[in-house]
Amino acid sequence: DVKVTQSSRYLVKRTGEKVFLECVQDMDHENMFWYRQDPGLGLRLIYFSYDVKMKEKGDIPEGYSVSREKKERFSLILESASTNQTSMYLCASSVRRNTEAFFGQGTRLTVV
Amino acid sequence: QKEVEQNSGPLSVPEGAIASLNCTYSDRVSQSFFWYRQYSGKSPELIMSIYSNGDKEDGRFTAQLNKASQYVSLLIRDSQPSDSATYLCAVGMYNFNKFYFGSGTKLNVKP
Repeated sequence: DVKVTQSSRYLVKRTGEKVFLECVQDMDHENMFWYRQDPGLGLRLIYFSYDVKMKEKGDIPEGYSVSREKKERFSLILESASTNQTSMYLCASSVRRNTEAFFGQGTRLTVV
Repeated sequence: QKEVEQNSGPLSVPEGAIASLNCTYSDRVSQSFFWYRQYSGKSPELIMSIYSNGDKEDGRFTAQLNKASQYVSLLIRDSQPSDSATYLCAVGMYNFNKFYFGSGTKLNVKP
């Protein structure tokens, strides 16, 4: 079974903090994704990566950056957390382009 | 116009009935189509993928794809209360490494 693991299930951070969300997959997948999910807005793509050290912006990259130093690990960084970044963050991976994505358990981030 | 559109529901069906969930997409060159189930507070779970026109069956689930009409659907036979969840349609665009998700249809299966 594919396993995508996010480092935290719940996080509470203060405004202005630098926040790291970690994601690890164990199936040698090429592609990894970060989404956020908000009520009424659905899943929105923040960034994705199709190879080590490669990344592309999704639909809402502002205020975020990513890092992929190893194939199995994809990190989302909130440079300076703000209250409007309070959300459910979902990491996903897929073996290659146009194949199904598998999601981690999600991180519910609250910025106060 | 959104790339992927779903009726938000809620869709209510009695236990044992067939639930029909629909999704339309805007990009004609889309190549891959997926249905996910998401329980409240949980992450999306893949139910089915479909790549070719026609029907694909897996247990109580059938996905139907019509590329000419840019339409994909999910049928759930013998619906159970445990099927109550939000169902997300996702579309993979040709030659892109990303998916577009619909906003989901909430399904309630009443005992």
